[in-house]
Amino acid sequence: DIQLTQSPSFLSASVGDRVIITCRASEDITTFLAWYQQKPGKAPKLLISGASNLHSGVPSRFSGSGSGTEFTLTISSLQPEDFATYYCQQLNSYLKFTFGPGTKVDI
Amino acid sequence: EEQVVESGGGLGQPGGSLRLSCVVSGFTFDTYEFNWVRQAPGKGLEWLAYITASGYTMYYANSARGRFTISRDNARGSLFLQMNSLRVDDTAVYYCARFGSGSLSAFDVWGQGTMVTVAS
Repeated sequence: DIQLTQSPSFLSASVGDRVIITCRASEDITTFLAWYQQKPGKAPKLLISGASNLHSGVPSRFSGSGSGTEFTLTISSLQPEDFATYYCQQLNSYLKFTFGPGTKVDI
Repeated sequence: EEQVVESGGGLGQPGGSLRLSCVVSGFTFDTYEFNWVRQAPGKGLEWLAYITASGYTMYYANSARGRFTISRDNARGSLFLQMNSLRVDDTAVYYCARFGSGSLSAFDVWGQGTMVTVAS
């Protein structure tokens, strides 16, 4: 099974900060990686697909990069509404669409 | 607006069964693949099951295989998750999530979730 790790697991930041979250896969998943944002009590929301494709309606301060086994989600200037938990997900294998353990971005 | 809405959650007994449902609006149900994802209280997201648009092919996580069955009724525009042999650790919010079409390889539309509590 493909395993995903995320770092850090918790991040304390301030409004205006540049935030970088890393996701590593246990094997090559090319660019079959997505990023989601989840706020407490809400469903996850798709931010990035195909490792770097910004989903419709998502602010341009969010960006994704990487391929193979290492990926990053960058928030260029953290806004108050960005405090949430972020998950990566691999979609390379139809047998298991694994999620990473999450990164909580807090004040 | 494209939406999915889950229902069927509630209190289940250990060893018992529950059937979750998901209906959609704002898009054509039978042209999309779907998934069930769950989230235990205070925990991360766990993918459970996937079904093709036709309903002929399904894939399951190890935690779901053998106990859970994903199915769909395209004529009625509904997705289901039959959950048998319930365990206390099946307690979670269960989400229905659409698999994006074409080159959009991700879960692009999610329901609000339905809570399942397994307890005696």
